[in-house]
Amino acid sequence: AQTVTQSQPEMSVQEAETVTLSCTYDTSESDYYLFWYKQPPSRQMILVIRQEAYKQQNATENRFSVNFQKAAKSFSLKISDSQLGDAAMYFCAYRRPTGGGADGLTFGKGTHLIIQP
Amino acid sequence: DVKVTQSSRYLVKRTGEKVFLECVQDMDHENMFWYRQDPGLGLRLIYFSYDVKMKEKGDIPEGYSVSREKKERFSLILESASTNQTSMYLCASSFPRGLSPLHFGNGTRLTVT
Repeated sequence: AQTVTQSQPEMSVQEAETVTLSCTYDTSESDYYLFWYKQPPSRQMILVIRQEAYKQQNATENRFSVNFQKAAKSFSLKISDSQLGDAAMYFCAYRRPTGGGADGLTFGKGTHLIIQP
Repeated sequence: DVKVTQSSRYLVKRTGEKVFLECVQDMDHENMFWYRQDPGLGLRLIYFSYDVKMKEKGDIPEGYSVSREKKERFSLILESASTNQTSMYLCASSFPRGLSPLHFGNGTRLTVT
C-alpha cells in the first residue's frame, strides 16, 4: 500500500515570507498523481495544486508551486509571499494510476501552517 | 462549481444507534468516497464507489457500510455506532481520471456518546 509522509506537523512563517512544506511518498508505480489540499478552519478541503508524475515540469498556481523530485519520491509545496488567508492544514495526497482496483487519494497526516502577522 | 453536500454538519448519537450520513453531488461524477478525519491521522478512506450499486472497501471499512442507489447519492451507514467512531466524516466525488481532483463536502462531525 502507498504511504504519504508529511514530516512537519506544524510550521510557522511570517506574513510575506516564503515557506516550504515537505511531503514524501512510497510507491512502486512509474506514473501516478500528486495533490496538495488546504483545509482552513471552515473544514472545506480546497485543491491547491496537482501534478502528474509523468510530467517532470513542476506545477505552479500563482503563489503556490511544487518541487517534484521523482527519484527521491518527494513533492514539496512552496508558498511565496505568505498571506494570513494561507493559514490552514495542508495535506499532501497520492493517487494511483487509473484502471482497475480501488480509486481514491492516500493522504498524509497534514501540516498545520501558522502565519504570523 | 461542483457542489458536494453532506446532510448534517454536526450529529450526536448514542452508542448502539444506527446512523446514516448522506452525501449528494451535482456534477455527475462516477466516483464517490467516504473518508474519516482524525487529528494526527489525516484522512483515511472508508469506502469508495465507482458506479451505482458498486462499492469497494477502503483502508478502514470495519464497522461501516455504504449504499449507492443513485449516481448522485452516497450514504455511509454505521450499523451500531460506537464511541470510537466519533470523528469527522468527509464525503468526496470525482471523475475516474487520475488528475481529476476530489471535490469534498463540508464534513459531518459525529459524536457518539
